[in-house]
Amino acid sequence: EAGVTQSPTHLIKTRGQQATLRCSPISGHTSVYWYQQALGLGLQFLLWYDEGEERNRGNFPPRFSGRQFPNYSSELNVNALELEDSALYLCASSKTYRVSGANVLTFGAGSRLTVL
Amino acid sequence: GESVGLHLPTLSVQEGDNSIINCAYSNSASDYFIWYKQESGKGPQFIIDIRSNMDKRQGQRVTVLLNKTVKHLSLQIAATQPGDSAVYFCAENVVNTGGFKTIFGAGTRLFVKA
Repeated sequence: EAGVTQSPTHLIKTRGQQATLRCSPISGHTSVYWYQQALGLGLQFLLWYDEGEERNRGNFPPRFSGRQFPNYSSELNVNALELEDSALYLCASSKTYRVSGANVLTFGAGSRLTVL
Repeated sequence: GESVGLHLPTLSVQEGDNSIINCAYSNSASDYFIWYKQESGKGPQFIIDIRSNMDKRQGQRVTVLLNKTVKHLSLQIAATQPGDSAVYFCAENVVNTGGFKTIFGAGTRLFVKA
């Protein structure tokens, strides 16, 4: 069974440009999560999509946005890139959200974004 | 703000010794906690989880302890091996009016000396 796949592996952009990152969840998973991991730091929650809708959002500016497609794959868009956006962007998926909160995330290997 | 923190950013242990990684969390209402392991160049991987109605759970060579009174989690790795070298994150699943999210701590890097 294929795991969570992310593309591109590496991406280099300059300030002010836009970046688009893609994620394909594990087959059967309907929830997709995006996290930002700056060098040497923990994972900061960005976005959660479930069944095609944005369900929750972390403390990031509106220039961080995304969407989930009917096949449950997802895209993260970062507009007006700033130097501090340089980070590893991790995508994770899980089965349908459980109200109990007992959701385990399966992560992809990440997309490394460098902003020059 | 919301946070899950760790007492030690790095931990170095001798191969064969036991490792203990500690974590403090701040959301007392959370019901579910998870430990993840992140190896170099990979995304975090699930190790073990525990519900708030338990104080201990054991897996293969790993044990998670939960003390809700002081909001503290720990991960114990028995007979630590070189393959255990990684960054370990504790995480907390928070369910509130804003929805659901998993909050990660800053991580502890475990070095295993041969």
